[in-house]
Amino acid sequence: EIVLTQSPATLALSPGERATLSCRASQNVTSYLAWYQQKPAQAPRLLIYDASNRATGIPARFIGNGSGTDFTLTISSLEPEDFAVYYCQQRNNWPVTWTFGQGTKVEIK
Amino acid sequence: QVHLVQSGAEVKKPGASVTVSCKASGYRFTDAFIHWVRQAPGQGLEWVGRINPNSGGTYYGQKFQGRVTMTRDTSISTAYMELNRVISDDTAIYYCATQQHNGDHFEDWGQGTLVSISS
Repeated sequence: EIVLTQSPATLALSPGERATLSCRASQNVTSYLAWYQQKPAQAPRLLIYDASNRATGIPARFIGNGSGTDFTLTISSLEPEDFAVYYCQQRNNWPVTWTFGQGTKVEIK
Repeated sequence: QVHLVQSGAEVKKPGASVTVSCKASGYRFTDAFIHWVRQAPGQGLEWVGRINPNSGGTYYGQKFQGRVTMTRDTSISTAYMELNRVISDDTAIYYCATQQHNGDHFEDWGQGTLVSISS
């Protein structure tokens, strides 16, 4: 089963700065990787799917890249509402399961 | 606009069973898979399983095999997750989420249902 490892665990930045989050897969997942944002007491929200496609209504400052085993989520200029926890996710082909990374918390410095 | 509304919070004793429902609206119920994802207090997201509302076919996470059953009632556009023989580690918020047939990601999410296990 594929394991997703996110780094760093915590990222302390100021509004306006660039955030770069990493998600590494233990095996090739081609481009079928998604990113979610979760704020306290809220359900996760889909940001990026298929590695680089923004979901409906997601601002252009959220940029997804990568393929194979190494993926990044970049927030080009942090807005106050972007401080949250971010998870990557992919599907295993066999057994058929879905997996999340352990999350990266982006907090205000 | 897709809307997933889950049932209310549950408190159960260890060894009991709990059922959470997820009522879908805003789309044709059989046009998207329904997943269940849980989140223990202060922890990350954990995939529980998936049901195909059209066929009733399911995939379950290995950790939950033998304890979880996912069903659906297409007449009322509602999916269900039953977890049996619950233990304290099952205390979590349980979310339902949709997966479109042409993707492997979770598009829309329910509001979550807190399941608390306590003796």
